[in-house]
Amino acid sequence: AQTVTQSQPEMSVQEAETVTLSCTYDTSENNYYLFWYKQPPSRQMILVIRQEAYKQQNATENRFSVNFQKAAKSFSLKISDSQLGDTAMYFCAFMKRNAGNMLTFGGGTRLMVKP
Amino acid sequence: NAGVTQTPKFRILKIGQSMTLQCAQDMNHNYMYWYRQDPGMGLKLIYYSVGAGITDKGEVPNGYNVSRSTTEDFPLRLELAAPSQTSVYFCASRIPAGGGLGTGELFFGEGSRLTVL
Repeated sequence: AQTVTQSQPEMSVQEAETVTLSCTYDTSENNYYLFWYKQPPSRQMILVIRQEAYKQQNATENRFSVNFQKAAKSFSLKISDSQLGDTAMYFCAFMKRNAGNMLTFGGGTRLMVKP
Repeated sequence: NAGVTQTPKFRILKIGQSMTLQCAQDMNHNYMYWYRQDPGMGLKLIYYSVGAGITDKGEVPNGYNVSRSTTEDFPLRLELAAPSQTSVYFCASRIPAGGGLGTGELFFGEGSRLTVL
């Protein structure tokens, strides 16, 4: 079974600064996807960024980028130029590439962006 | 596009009552999921379905049942509600990942907050 660990329950950052959220995972699989989801106070889960394990290049989406270290089983999220609207819970998630299957979530990191 | 629609958004149940949380998606997605999220916690999978007529248990299936008679609908049934089932429930869907047919991304509903007293 896969496990996903987010070691930072809460973080804060000043508006316009950069913050990095940590995520580690444990799996024996070689082909998989990793995701970061954002959950603002409205509760809706929104995909922020995804990474396919077979791709060495780190994924980027505008102000969001990841540092994917496959050997270390680490998948951190960097948010640049933080905005007030980035305040939310952030969940790291793992999914095997085969048909099915479950998305396994970490426990989440609550990010507060301060003005 | 409506995406994934969940009803009701809020519900209070008494211990021992039963109810069904409805979930519908209009994206023709094969895979559908039910998750629960306890306060301050991540999401845990209750049940999932890879297509009409096929369902399977997730991590925390006890006390719940599902059915998938159509591609669009995936209702979650709570029998004999217990306080431990107080939670926010999320339905999600996706198309199969890989092979250029999908990204693995889950599309979530807005959640249903259930309180059992």
